[in-house]
Amino acid sequence: EPEVTQTPSHQVTQMGQEVILRCVPISNHLYFYWYRQILGQKVEFLVSFYNNEISEKSEIFDDQFSVERPDGSNFTLKIRSTKLEDSAMYFCASSEDAQGRYEQYFGPGTRLTVT
Amino acid sequence: AQKVTQAQTEISVVEKEDVTLDCVYETRDTTYYLFWYKQPPSGELVFLIRRNSFDEQNEISGRYSWNFQKSTSSFNFTITASQVVDSAVYFCALSATGGGNKLTFGTGTQLKVEL
Repeated sequence: EPEVTQTPSHQVTQMGQEVILRCVPISNHLYFYWYRQILGQKVEFLVSFYNNEISEKSEIFDDQFSVERPDGSNFTLKIRSTKLEDSAMYFCASSEDAQGRYEQYFGPGTRLTVT
Repeated sequence: AQKVTQAQTEISVVEKEDVTLDCVYETRDTTYYLFWYKQPPSGELVFLIRRNSFDEQNEISGRYSWNFQKSTSSFNFTITASQVVDSAVYFCALSATGGGNKLTFGTGTQLKVEL
């Protein structure tokens, strides 16, 4: 069964460093998403991406964040200058279409630890 | 604006007991989708069910059942004859057409099933 993959599974970085989290969505999916879950809290939407541009972003997704689909398979989230409060689990998801009737398939997550 | 409330932070039951997880949602949209996800200790998000706002039929899948009531804006989840493997955090989520396709999650309910 096709699945969303994410690398790395765990990333440790120092405050102020740039990090890139990578995702490979399911191959025939057209919509891509990033969500964040701070430890012990709920899952929060960060950004959605379609046709090589951002469809929607949350207040969390400020200028420190960017997303890119550098090739036909990868979808990346970059944090330019990490802060302690960026420590969280980051989930990538993809769906066939933007309508809610299409399930969003989640990857296993990348745990980001900022020290 | 969309909102999902899971008032139960943590529930503990003994194996074989039935347990119901509550979910109350808010949206102004008439077309929306409701979801339940399971997050086991390993951290991934596992899709359980999706319902659209026009389908109020209850659904049963093995030991799992869902009760959708538009009149009370609730989408409750019942596990019958709970098992230790059901121990996880369960998230209810909402996607409304007016809110793009992003998922708005509740704060989750931690279910502990003990022997």
